[in-house]
Amino acid sequence: GENVEQHPSTLSVQEGDSAVIKCTYSDSASNYFPWYKQELGKRPQLIIDIRSNVGEKKDQRIAVTLNKTAKHFSLHITETQPEDSAVYFCAAMLTGGGNKLTFGTGTQLKVEL
Amino acid sequence: NAGVMQNPRHLVRRRGQEARLRCSPVKGHSHVYWYRQLPEEGLKFMVYLQKENIIDESGMPKERFSAEFPKEGPSILRIQQVVRGDSAAYFCACSGVSYNEQFFGPGTRLTVL
Repeated sequence: GENVEQHPSTLSVQEGDSAVIKCTYSDSASNYFPWYKQELGKRPQLIIDIRSNVGEKKDQRIAVTLNKTAKHFSLHITETQPEDSAVYFCAAMLTGGGNKLTFGTGTQLKVEL
Repeated sequence: NAGVMQNPRHLVRRRGQEARLRCSPVKGHSHVYWYRQLPEEGLKFMVYLQKENIIDESGMPKERFSAEFPKEGPSILRIQQVVRGDSAAYFCACSGVSYNEQFFGPGTRLTVL
């Protein structure tokens, strides 16, 4: 089955700096890669996703890149703000093949003033 | 995503009791997924259901756990004879026709005493 690894497990940045979180996946057939943000005690919220026919996607301060050959994808947050502090999870899925999300272990991002 | 409802939000059970967790997906979303999040860990897939059908239950423990999504009413995750190791947050997610994007409910936090 699919296995997703995520690094780093914790990340501390100064407000205004950029943050990068990286994930690798094992199943080359996976074709959908969402990112979720989870604040303490809250639900995971979808913040951006990318499909395997696209190499990069951007939404304001958030961008995701995908390298299918290397089987890794990354989340980039620019101009970080204190409200970006949360746990971020990457995930991988094969659409049409059960549609279950396999999650990474999460990255605790802390944006310091 | 705000339309995905779960209840109860918090559930306390003593060892050996039964826990019933309910999930009402967004209107028009007929695909329901259950995930479990142990403390300080990521989300693990449990089961994928469509109306009246279990599509994939590969993540469900072999015993004590069952799930259903009847023609009428919410999806239910049932845990019989709970043990302390069942203490976790249980999230349901739903998707619509696109069956890619999964939106999560607020979760049920189960505590087994």
